[in-house]
Formats: sequence, C-alpha cells, structure tokens
Amino acid sequence: EAGVAQSPRYKIIEKRQSVAFWCNPISGHATLYWYQQILGQGPKLLIQFQNNGVVDDSQLPKDRFSAERLKGVDSTLKIQPAKLEDSAVYLCASSLGRDRGTYGYTFGSGTRLTVV
Amino acid sequence: AQTVTQSQPEMSVQEAETVTLSCTYDTSESDYYLFWYKQPPSRQMILVIRQEAYKQQNATENRFSVNFQKAAKSFSLKISDSQLGDAAMYFCAYRVGLNQGGKLIFGQGTELSVKP
Repeated sequence: EAGVAQSPRYKIIEKRQSVAFWCNPISGHATLYWYQQILGQGPKLLIQFQNNGVVDDSQLPKDRFSAERLKGVDSTLKIQPAKLEDSAVYLCASSLGRDRGTYGYTFGSGTRLTVV
Repeated sequence: AQTVTQSQPEMSVQEAETVTLSCTYDTSESDYYLFWYKQPPSRQMILVIRQEAYKQQNATENRFSVNFQKAAKSFSLKISDSQLGDAAMYFCAYRVGLNQGGKLIFGQGTELSVKP
C-alpha cells in the first residue's frame, strides 16, 4: 500500500510571503491530520479532517493558516503571510477513521519550512 | 486536558545493550491508547509499539517492550539488544478519546544515540 504523500519536501520563503503544502493520504483513510513540529519539540495538531469536514482546528492560527480537503481525499495547508516562527516541519497523517484506531496513524515524511 | 511528558531529552546506549525511555502522562479518561513513535532523520514517524489502556498485559514487539503502569500514568519503552539503526528521536504519544476527535498528543521527544 502506498504511504502518505507530501510535497514539497523542503521550502524556503521570506517572511510575509505565502506558501502551500500538499498531502495525499492513504487510499480509504477518512481522517486526515496536519501537525506542526517545531525543531526540538513534539508534533502539535493544527487541524483534523473527517472526510471533508473539520473535526478540530482549535490550534490552527486562523489569521494566517488555512486548510482544505475539498473532495475528502487530498488536502492543502496554506500559510499567508508567513512569520519567522512558522519555521517547522509540517507533517500530514491519516487513519482509517473515527474507530478505535488500534493501528494509530500513518505519517508522511513532512515538509520542512524555513522562513527567513 | 491531556498532557504527555518525556523527561529525558537525550539518552545514549551501547550497541547490544538495553535502554529504557521514560514517559508519563496525565488524563482523566479511563479508556485510551498510548504509542511510541520513532522519527529518524528522514522525518517520517514510524510506529514502534502501542498499548491499549484496558489491557493489563504489557505490549511487546520483538526487541521493543513497554512497562505500562496505569495507576502511575507511566509508559516507558525498553529497547533490548540495541542496534545502530535504533538511533533516532523517540516520541511518546497519547490518543485522546473519540469524543474529542481521537487526535494524538505527543511528548517532547527523547533523542537516542547508539554507540558502536
């Protein structure tokens, strides 16, 4: 089975510019997550989708971050405008759905964003 | 709110020896899941082992085992016969209840180095 695909792998932008990340989850996985991992820290959930609906976006800085999953498959996370503190790895993960989740999640390799 | 704490930022072990990584968590839920993930430099989170809170038996996966102490809210990972390929960041994670979306909450991580 193919894994969770993410692109780009690396991105360097100047502050106040915009950037978008793409994620394609494992086929059939209804739940999709975006995590932000700042260097030296554990990942923190930004937003969770169940199919194309938002389940949890309580930690998403909505003044500059947005995300969508229009067809309930792939997803895009956007930052506009970017700040220096947005420098981090952005991880996408997917799971079968809101079941007991006995197998946890499958993560992509992430996008490393550097804001200069 | 649930929290996960890893008090060892760095650990080192000699090849073929055994090492234990510590994790404590705080929750008011009675049914939950705990995970250990490995994150190599490639950044992809790899599931190492999982534990269901309702199971008293400690989970084991080959050289990896856990010591789950529910009353103490402790969940340590033991790696036996350490190999060079075990060197990575290790994250302890707690899966919140389905009524809260089932997201993962991560600890700060422990960087494990393996000496030849």
